[in-house]
Amino acid sequence: QKEVEQNSGPLSVPEGAIASLNCTYSDRGSQSFFWYRQYSGKSPELIMSIYSNGDKEDGRFTAQLNKASQYVSLLIRDSQPSDSATYLCAVTSSGGYNKLIFGAGTRLAVHP
Amino acid sequence: NAGVTQTPKFQVLKTGQSMTLQCAQDMNHNSMYWYRQDPGMGLRLIYYSASEGTTDKGEVPNGYNVSRLNKREFSLRLESAAPSQTSVYFCAFVGRGTDTQYFGPGTRLTVL
Repeated sequence: QKEVEQNSGPLSVPEGAIASLNCTYSDRGSQSFFWYRQYSGKSPELIMSIYSNGDKEDGRFTAQLNKASQYVSLLIRDSQPSDSATYLCAVTSSGGYNKLIFGAGTRLAVHP
Repeated sequence: NAGVTQTPKFQVLKTGQSMTLQCAQDMNHNSMYWYRQDPGMGLRLIYYSASEGTTDKGEVPNGYNVSRLNKREFSLRLESAAPSQTSVYFCAFVGRGTDTQYFGPGTRLTVL
């Protein structure tokens, strides 16, 4: 069974701090990695995608990938209360067809 | 929700009843997916369709059938609903020229 593991949280950080979200995956054939944000009662929305080892920055968000360690992370700088949500890590299955394997998500709470 | 509509938004069924969840995308994409999301769990793939007229099983297909009669619509059918199928169901598609999945607004289904 191919898996994606995330700490369920909640991860509580003060406003303005850096939130660090982590994810490990078991499928060594995974090629694409995604972070989705999901507000309560809403559908997942894409935050970041990353395909190669290293860092990728987009505004306040930085995704980090280490394929050798099978590890993906998301850093949120200058966290805002509006960032409070569940963050889902997803990786493509080596079975193709862009099938995704999701982690259970980490709940982030940013308090003023 | 990125050009994807799902109907209905909410549904309550009794055990043994049948129903079809509808998903339609207006952007002529090939690949479409059905997921379910249960509390404390990530999204799990039920079925997917790589193109019009083709469908294949995902991680949790038992108790479901799907139909992709045209490129725009991908439906999910529960022939005999069970309480274990109480969940939130999301339809998704892969964006043109990418491997990124975008999600519809979801259908919240309760089976009594």
